[in-house]
Amino acid sequence: DSGVTQTPKHLITATGQRVTLRCSPRSGDLSVYWYQQSLDQGLQFLIQYYNGEERAKGNILERFSAQQFPDLHSELNLSSLELGDSALYFCASSVGGRGRNEKLFFGSGTQLSVL
Amino acid sequence: AQKITQTQPGMFVQEKEAVTLDCTYDTSDQSYGLFWYKQPSSGEMIFLIYQGSYDEQNATEGRYSLNFQKARKSANLVISASQLGDSAMYFCAIGDWAGNMLTFGGGTRLMVKP
Repeated sequence: DSGVTQTPKHLITATGQRVTLRCSPRSGDLSVYWYQQSLDQGLQFLIQYYNGEERAKGNILERFSAQQFPDLHSELNLSSLELGDSALYFCASSVGGRGRNEKLFFGSGTQLSVL
Repeated sequence: AQKITQTQPGMFVQEKEAVTLDCTYDTSDQSYGLFWYKQPSSGEMIFLIYQGSYDEQNATEGRYSLNFQKARKSANLVISASQLGDSAMYFCAIGDWAGNMLTFGGGTRLMVKP
């Protein structure tokens, strides 16, 4: 158990809908990262938050947004869903957020299926 | 931009034998970290081993060792005495010094034969 909690584990929805994925980082970790894993794109970095502030942005679509709350949990919001958004979405956390080479601890992921 | 290349999409190894999974990287950073993660069929990402770019000795963690050749920009994972439970996807990743986020390679599927 990595200590990173992601809910829900599975999500099935329809095109055009909006969903929210939730992540609780390990106790003491200030950074949260979101990754998308799909068969054609592999593991893609989406966005990073550090202590409530956006720190880095990757290949995140404009239809997607995220935030980190004062209690350090994070939510990834996906809207106007398309079939191609079906993927495994991982949240990861680490202690720091900059100037470090820390390992990331991953949650078990949310499997999103858009029908 | 950083890049990781894993050229072996799939590999077989006999149980109890050693196996090497290849990883080459590209970065303009002087300081960086290299990581290997394992993803079993259950889906979770499990950290295996880390090598810092300034570490003089190759990293080892139990049956895992990292063959780090900086001049060749390679960071191969060596698994000794393979076990059936080692069957999984293996991802090499490089850490970004500025933001600490990881860039992953495409992965290698390892299958251990009894």
